[in-house]
Amino acid sequence: GAGVSQSPSNKVTEKGKDVELRCDPISGHTALYWYRQRLGQGLEFLIYFQGNSAPDKSGLPSDRFSAERTGESVSTLTIQRTQQEDSAVYLCASSALRGFLSGGDYEQYFGPGTRLTVT
Amino acid sequence: AQSVTQPDIHITVSEGASLELRCNYSYGATPYLFWYVQSPGQGLQLLLKYFSGDTLVQGIKGFEAEFKRSQSSFNLRKPSVHWSDAAEYFCAVGALSGGSYIPTFGRGTSLIVHP
Repeated sequence: GAGVSQSPSNKVTEKGKDVELRCDPISGHTALYWYRQRLGQGLEFLIYFQGNSAPDKSGLPSDRFSAERTGESVSTLTIQRTQQEDSAVYLCASSALRGFLSGGDYEQYFGPGTRLTVT
Repeated sequence: AQSVTQPDIHITVSEGASLELRCNYSYGATPYLFWYVQSPGQGLQLLLKYFSGDTLVQGIKGFEAEFKRSQSSFNLRKPSVHWSDAAEYFCAVGALSGGSYIPTFGRGTSLIVHP
């Protein structure tokens, strides 16, 4: 079946511009995560959605970053007034979060990422 | 809160040699444990996972990992490395907290394979 998709795959933008990154999770997955991965670094947690709600926004680095999810499906990460330090790969993951009695699936399924370059 | 340590930033092995990548975690109970692999320019792919039961888990591509509660470790192993195994490897720890589930990832270990 279809996996997690992200668009665009690459985005080059000028400093100060706004960008929108899109994530289409696996159908039926209740949880959705955004991570940032700077060159040569690990994964930096940004935000987590359970359904359409975001119980944890603690990872968003500044108020220039925002995210929403609609229809318990697609999510958009928006970065306003981009800065050069925003350059990174932005990864999205989804998870079914089924408990043991339902087969136990807490695995995250990752998309290919969006490579953002701010010039 | 949980945390994950991957003490080795880079590991270099010769093709055909055995491999062990280290992962230590901090959490009060038994968490969910994962190893992911990331090839250049790709997303993360799950290699294996541990929830409960047998502490030695088998994954894809010939990888295995052993959960050792006494050492709070979940090291990844492979008996014979192939050149195609060169990639970034991430250990992750997950636990339910207040109804939320947010896995924590280690910084990653870059595997270099010499011919």
